[in-house]
Amino acid sequence: DAGVIQSPRHEVTEMGQEVTLRCKPISGHNSLFWYRQTMMRGLELLIYFNNNVPIDDSGMPEDRFSAKMPNASFSTLKIQPSEPRDSAVYFCASSGDAKNTGELFFGEGSRLTVL
Amino acid sequence: GESVGLHLPTLSVQEGDNSIINCAYSNSASDYFIWYKQESGKGPQFIIDIRSNMDKRQGQRVTVLLNKTVKHLSLQIAATQPGDSAVYFCAEKASWGKLQFGAGTQVVVTP
Repeated sequence: DAGVIQSPRHEVTEMGQEVTLRCKPISGHNSLFWYRQTMMRGLELLIYFNNNVPIDDSGMPEDRFSAKMPNASFSTLKIQPSEPRDSAVYFCASSGDAKNTGELFFGEGSRLTVL
Repeated sequence: GESVGLHLPTLSVQEGDNSIINCAYSNSASDYFIWYKQESGKGPQFIIDIRSNMDKRQGQRVTVLLNKTVKHLSLQIAATQPGDSAVYFCAEKASWGKLQFGAGTQVVVTP
């Protein structure tokens, strides 16, 4: 079975450019999460969706960050404009029933470097 | 200047020995706990979970212990193998669908 699929795996961009990260959750999962991982702050929850609806976006750093989930099989995390401090590994995770188990299935991550 | 990252606690274990990884959680209302393993260049992977109505749960080569009195969680790995080298995170769930991750512990298995 395919797990959570993220793209791109690596992105290097210049400050000010727009960055779009993509995620395909596991088929049948109804919750999707975006995390950011850095050495300084560890794993931080940015936003999560349930049934394609954003439930909690309190972790989104600022207005430069936005996330969408137009359907059950696709989500994007966009940063515009990007800044060097956005450099991190961004993980997407999905869950079949976050209410009962909380177990998340993570993708391999998108490593973003903003120069 | 360049920011200096936090140094993860590191546990060095000899191959074949048992490992114990500790975690202190913060929220007394948390009712569900998970241990994740993250290998270099990969996403975190579920190892084992435990609910707050239990104090011990066993899996294959792993045991999780929960002490709610002191808000402490531990992961025991029996007969540690080189493939167990990774960063281990504990996570607590304090509300519906929202896990809070700890800082992680780096486990290094030496031959």
